[in-house]
Amino acid sequence: DAGVIQSPRHEVTEMGQEVTLRCKLISGHNSLFWYRQTMMRGLELLIYFNNNVPIDDSGMPEDRFSAKMPNASFSTLKIQPSEPRDSAVYFCASTRRNYGYTFGSGTRLTVV
Amino acid sequence: AQSVTQLGSHVSVSEGALVLLRCNYSSSVPPYLFWYVQYPNQGLQLLLKYTSAATLVKGINGFEAEFKKSETSFHLTKPSAHMSDAAEYFCAVSGAYSGAGSYQLTFGKGTKLSVIP
Repeated sequence: DAGVIQSPRHEVTEMGQEVTLRCKLISGHNSLFWYRQTMMRGLELLIYFNNNVPIDDSGMPEDRFSAKMPNASFSTLKIQPSEPRDSAVYFCASTRRNYGYTFGSGTRLTVV
Repeated sequence: AQSVTQLGSHVSVSEGALVLLRCNYSSSVPPYLFWYVQYPNQGLQLLLKYTSAATLVKGINGFEAEFKKSETSFHLTKPSAHMSDAAEYFCAVSGAYSGAGSYQLTFGKGTKLSVIP
């Protein structure tokens, strides 16, 4: 099992550009969570999916953020347009039946 | 609704000393409780979990935690700290799985553990 795979590991982009973060779930997991981690705010849940359906997106900060899960094993988080305050580490995690999440290694996003 | 309070954002212990990281939770339903560890520039790794079975839970790397319902606590301990234990530790709570789908985890703000040689 390769674990939860996130890409890219690092992303540096200019303000106003579109950013797409990618996440591949563990095979057999049916829930997917996107988190953002910053020094100031800690870990924040942005959105989660169950069986490919978005269940709760109340943590998505603005309309600039969108997430999709086109199939059972893959998800994207898009920021358009990006702003410097979006700089953070973005994690995705997957689970099956809430027996403990498995986290990816994260994408460190820097918006300049 | 669930919430988690981790007492102490930073804890320092000497190598070989007892590690005690405190976590108190609030939950309106029977909770599932978790401890995660995060090493620098890495994702969170599950240390151990309580899912309504034994109240004393053993995890990886010699860590264990005890669920105390009367105290609404789930403190993490390790008898003897090792330099490699230096990391940030997160306590998390969710509602018990009910068959209706996975539940979101609510994380504490984390406790950074330093180990002094």
